[in-house]
Amino acid sequence: GEDVEQSLFLSVREGDSSVINCTYTDSSSTYLYWYKQEPGAGLQLLTYIFSNMDMKQDQRLTVLLNKKDKHLSLRIADTQTGDSAIYFCASEGGTGGFKTIFGAGTRLFVKA
Amino acid sequence: GAVVSQHPSRVICKSGTSVKIECRSLDFQATTMFWYRQFPKKSLMLMATSNEGSKATYEQGVEKDKFLINHASLTLSTLTVTSAHPEDSSFYICSAKYRTGESEQFFGPGTRLTVL
Repeated sequence: GEDVEQSLFLSVREGDSSVINCTYTDSSSTYLYWYKQEPGAGLQLLTYIFSNMDMKQDQRLTVLLNKKDKHLSLRIADTQTGDSAIYFCASEGGTGGFKTIFGAGTRLFVKA
Repeated sequence: GAVVSQHPSRVICKSGTSVKIECRSLDFQATTMFWYRQFPKKSLMLMATSNEGSKATYEQGVEKDKFLINHASLTLSTLTVTSAHPEDSSFYICSAKYRTGESEQFFGPGTRLTVL
């Protein structure tokens, strides 16, 4: 079946930029998402990008999409300790219909 | 923003008992709700898609008689884990959409189930 992959851990210093990468297999995905999960909590939608876009910026967040390589990234500028969480990449649409397929999540550690 | 709640947040039960988890959309009507299971260090796995007034659609490998889903109203879906066993211990998360095809899912806070 279709798959979404991302690295499991990322550690950055406070104030630096964080870049979390994700690859997906379904080239006909319509939406690509980034979710944030804080300890013991559910998922919160951070941002999403349509497949016909290659970049989206929202305050400290920048999403880049390389559709040819099926690669998605999330850049967090000026990373803060409050950004420490698990970040999930997800794809939807395409061959999966309206089913959302999640990556395993990247745990971001922010060192003060 | 739209809020989805889950109850209970944590439950511990004995092996062989059944556990019901509720998912409610608090300030919107959800035509579609999803149930996910999250394993440690693994992604969320979709278990089933629930549409109000109709039977849930289960993903391959998910036993529908084990995980009973009832979407009784536009604001409530329930997941009942029947005859729970320790391997059912997991974090169960629901999400809801305003309507099928809508891009955004609103997630509940999750329910931690521990089966002894």
